[in-house]
Amino acid sequence: GDSVTQMEGPVTLSEEAFLTINCTYTATGYPSLFWYVQYPGEGLQLLLKATKADDKGSNKGFEATYRKETTSFHLEKGSVQVSDSAVYFCALSVLTGNQFYFGTGTSLTVIP
Amino acid sequence: KAGVTQTPRYLIKTRGQQVTLSCSPISGHRSVSWYQQTPGQGLQFLFEYFSETQRNKGNFPGRFSGRQFSNSRSEMNVSTLELGDSALYLCASSIMSGYSYEQYFGPGTRLTVT
Repeated sequence: GDSVTQMEGPVTLSEEAFLTINCTYTATGYPSLFWYVQYPGEGLQLLLKATKADDKGSNKGFEATYRKETTSFHLEKGSVQVSDSAVYFCALSVLTGNQFYFGTGTSLTVIP
Repeated sequence: KAGVTQTPRYLIKTRGQQVTLSCSPISGHRSVSWYQQTPGQGLQFLFEYFSETQRNKGNFPGRFSGRQFSNSRSEMNVSTLELGDSALYLCASSIMSGYSYEQYFGPGTRLTVT
């Protein structure tokens, strides 16, 4: 079945450090891939997405590239800020419907 | 545009009771999905409604049910509450964007069962 696996946390980084959160997927068709972010006490917010192979999604300094050959969609940011502290979820949806599959989430804490 | 709203934000119930949670999607969005989020299980899909019809269903017992109204607002109901039903219940409204759906989440309803 369709599923997403993302690296376990928690991840703790110093401000201005480079961030990578790994995400790999299994899908029977051609999925769209997403990163969502959840701040404390809030719902999930769509951060970025990519709908086909080699697409790069980007937003607020975060980016991720849809790699079909490695079935991956790793999230990266060149220089994290304290305000980036949150839980990050990788997700996929199959093109034929609105069924989303979420990873377990990776907690990121950025310290000054 | 107003975002997804969920009411109530917090709820405390006793085992055996039932509860109804409400979700108002973003204007123009016809699909509403519900998720249960717990620290141990992460985000688990409950069901999705589109144009008042349940289109997808997750692997939850029949105590969990939902419905959607003609204005796309949705409710979910949990009967005979158990301690394990304590969770954050998230609603997401969806719209097609390009080749895929995008889901937009509300702030959630925090349910505590005592």
